[in-house]
Amino acid sequence: DIEMTQSPSSLSASVGDRVTMTCRASQGISNYVAWIQKKPGKAPRTLIYAASGLQSGVPSKFSGSGSGTDFTLTISSLQPEDFATYYCLQYNTYPLSFGGGTKVEIK
Amino acid sequence: QVQLQESGPGLVKPSETLSLTCNVSGGSLSTFFWNWIRQPPGKGLEWIGYVYNRGNTKYNPSLKSRVSISLDTPNNQFSLKVDSVTAADTAVYYCARGTYYYGSGTFWSYFDYWGQGTLVTVSS
Repeated sequence: DIEMTQSPSSLSASVGDRVTMTCRASQGISNYVAWIQKKPGKAPRTLIYAASGLQSGVPSKFSGSGSGTDFTLTISSLQPEDFATYYCLQYNTYPLSFGGGTKVEIK
Repeated sequence: QVQLQESGPGLVKPSETLSLTCNVSGGSLSTFFWNWIRQPPGKGLEWIGYVYNRGNTKYNPSLKSRVSISLDTPNNQFSLKVDSVTAADTAVYYCARGTYYYGSGTFWSYFDYWGQGTLVTVSS
């Protein structure tokens, strides 16, 4: 099975900050990575697919990059509604697997 | 707008069967993959499996012997059953639609719509 390791597990940031988080796969997975935002009590929301493709309806402040084993999600200017936990998902190989999450908190 | 909503008992006794249903509105069950994912308290997300088309399924080997996922196309629903549950099956269970695209000679599927999740506790 492919293991996805996210870092950091949590970060504190201020409104307006640029925020970056990473995900590393235990083996090469080309660009078959999605990024998902999760807020308590709300349905998860997929932000990015194919490592850098913006899901329909997602604002362009979210961007993704990477290929092979290393992937990055960036939020260009953090807003109050962006405080949440973010997960990466690899869909290169079954069983599909998720990273452990990065919790973005208010500084 | 596609919406998914999980329903089912919030409490299941050990050794019994956990049964959940996901109601899909705003779209058809045909041509997509319909998934279940769970998250135990304080732990990470785990993909359980999917059903698609005429009832074809794929499951996570970690759960395969105890899990079944089925389609109820006339009612626009799909369901999850987990047999012989233990406390380790306590989790928030999510249903999600798997969309797909073609590339490098095959299809690739990720989740584009999710339900809100429902907590199932296994306890006597």
